[in-house]
Amino acid sequence: GQNIDQPTEMTATEGAIVQINCTYQTSGFNGLFWYQQHAGEAPTFLSYNVLDGLEEKGRFSSFLSRSKGYSYLLLKELQMKDSASYLCAVRGLGSSASKIIFGSGTRLSIRP
Amino acid sequence: DAGVIQSPRHEVTEMGQEVTLRCKPISGHNSLFWYRQTMMRGLELLIYFNNNVPIDDSGMPEDRFSAKMPNASFSTLKIQPSEPRDSAVYFCASSPSAGSKNIQYFGAGTRLSVL
Repeated sequence: GQNIDQPTEMTATEGAIVQINCTYQTSGFNGLFWYQQHAGEAPTFLSYNVLDGLEEKGRFSSFLSRSKGYSYLLLKELQMKDSASYLCAVRGLGSSASKIIFGSGTRLSIRP
Repeated sequence: DAGVIQSPRHEVTEMGQEVTLRCKPISGHNSLFWYRQTMMRGLELLIYFNNNVPIDDSGMPEDRFSAKMPNASFSTLKIQPSEPRDSAVYFCASSPSAGSKNIQYFGAGTRLSVL
């Protein structure tokens, strides 16, 4: 089976940096995704990690450690529009290679 | 590209009625996914198709739920009969073939309310 854990809520200040952690336990691993979901909207893809290390894309970075079953999403220079839920998702192996399982999401609130 | 298109955007129905949700995936994508999202349970995978064939329907909650994909450009999720606990946002997503990152692209969702 698969289990994905991430904090339910976080608060941060505009202009600051925030790190959202995700731990997972899976029977097979073939990639980890981060999605952003604004209230009332659909999830949108942010980042993908399959090898250990840091992937940077503008203000957002995502890190993966496969041996620890751990990832984080780092958001820099926070803006009010970054207030959203951030979903960690893991893809399995083999016949389930197309399937990804989502965590419950972390609701991030940005204060001025 | 228009992205994944879902209809209707909102559906309000009475308990016991049949509900049909529709999805048009992104052209060229050959995997299609149906999800349900609620505050209590988060985003749950109900069923997914590869090349129009259902691969995993283990997330379908009950026999009242059924899904079809008659061709590469259309899928339906049907609930018959509907119950108040089915109230949720239902998302459809599509992704390119396996071997890529398999990034899933989501439609805008259908917000279902069963009274």
